Amino acid sequence: DAGITQSPRHKVTETGTPVTLRCHQTENHRYMYWYRQDPGHGLRLIHYSYGVKDTDKGEVSDGYSVSRSKTEDFLLTLESATSSQTSVYFCAISSIRDRRGYTFGSGTRLTVV
Amino acid sequence: AQTVTQSQPEMSVQEAETVTLSCTYDTSENNYYLFWYKQPPSRQMILVIRQEAYKQQNATENRFSVNFQKAAKSFSLKISDSQLGDTAMYFCAFMKPGGTSGSRLTFGEGTQLTVNP
Repeated sequence: DAGITQSPRHKVTETGTPVTLRCHQTENHRYMYWYRQDPGHGLRLIHYSYGVKDTDKGEVSDGYSVSRSKTEDFLLTLESATSSQTSVYFCAISSIRDRRGYTFGSGTRLTVV
Repeated sequence: AQTVTQSQPEMSVQEAETVTLSCTYDTSENNYYLFWYKQPPSRQMILVIRQEAYKQQNATENRFSVNFQKAAKSFSLKISDSQLGDTAMYFCAFMKPGGTSGSRLTFGEGTQLTVNP
């Protein structure tokens, strides 16, 4: 494995509850990303990080927040989950010297009921 | 902003035959990278092939090759001698090299490829 893990792999939660997804890497890569995958939309960027405490919004950031207090961990939080946030969430990492694109985690399937 | 379009939501091919997946993109950049990712039912995202825009030669990886037409902003993937294990969702993706804040991948909608025995 490329040294990136996501947890949990599956989660079912109720509308209105907070949810935190975790991405952990052992590659010491500077850049980390959160994407969501939905049918007909491919993968869309939620938030990304370019260093500890350095984060920025992607194209679908509403309703999500992130934190990166350590190089190895990037957390995605849904403050109050809604049914529209039912999706598969992917974390990815990259190094500025790595032009092979990203290395992805195995994804988290989140269902909001 | 960059956009990536995959106009074929689903495709099928017989085992051992050749299939081509289409991808077009829109950008005003001159320097960028293009990728094809494969996502089998396991959900894992697997890099298939990449192309640097400054290279005229089309990239090839074993049975996978691309037809990169920079002026037409087209980046198709050809799979030769299709195998059952090629059954997957395929995503085309665009990357503009970034500065300090890094690079971001923009994905197409995906094409579900089914290889039939």
